[in-house]
Amino acid sequence: AQSVTQLGSHVSVSEGALVLLRCNYSSSVPPYLFWYVQYPNQGLQLLLKYTSAATLVKGINGFEAEFKKSETSFHLTKPSAHMSDAAEYFCALGGANNLFFGTGTRLTVIP
Amino acid sequence: SQTIHQWPATLVQPVGSPLSLECTVEGTSNPNLYWYRQAAGRGLQLLFYSVGIGQISSEVPQNLSASRPQDRQFILSSKKLLLSDSGFYLCAWRNGPPYNEQFFGPGTRLTVL
Repeated sequence: AQSVTQLGSHVSVSEGALVLLRCNYSSSVPPYLFWYVQYPNQGLQLLLKYTSAATLVKGINGFEAEFKKSETSFHLTKPSAHMSDAAEYFCALGGANNLFFGTGTRLTVIP
Repeated sequence: SQTIHQWPATLVQPVGSPLSLECTVEGTSNPNLYWYRQAAGRGLQLLFYSVGIGQISSEVPQNLSASRPQDRQFILSSKKLLLSDSGFYLCAWRNGPPYNEQFFGPGTRLTVL
């Protein structure tokens, strides 16, 4: 069965600190993985995607994610948090017709 | 480039009233289309998806229905709204394989009173 688990429904970081949002997946086939960001009262915006071309994927707004098959993980990072990064982040796994979404992690940035 | 529209942006409806939310996509043809709901404090719940005109798959039994009368139009409906139908409704589209990433509309905030 395919599934995604996001560890930590809420994460708080200080402005300028490292952002680390965790995502683990379960898939019986080589996965396609995605990170989305959602700002309040808006739709989801694609941050980055893993398509097996490279294990370290760079996305928009300075975010990147590393695919680790041995750990079945696809954690999202950003070296220095900015106030504008405060949002909800969703990890997703590609299925045949659908995406399997995690439950989301709300990121708070403390000034 | 492709764009996706949803309307209305916000809606307040009494319990028992009907519902119609519309989603249209521009700049692509024969997309897969999706309806999701976000209830307060909860994640994304897939409600319906469609791989073509008139083809609807329902993911959860509920008070809602969906239709796809045209290639790039997806409609979410209800005959009688319940309080539990309140939430943020998102439409999304997807091109073909292999990557399957979806692109989301701006959403509709529905409040049922």
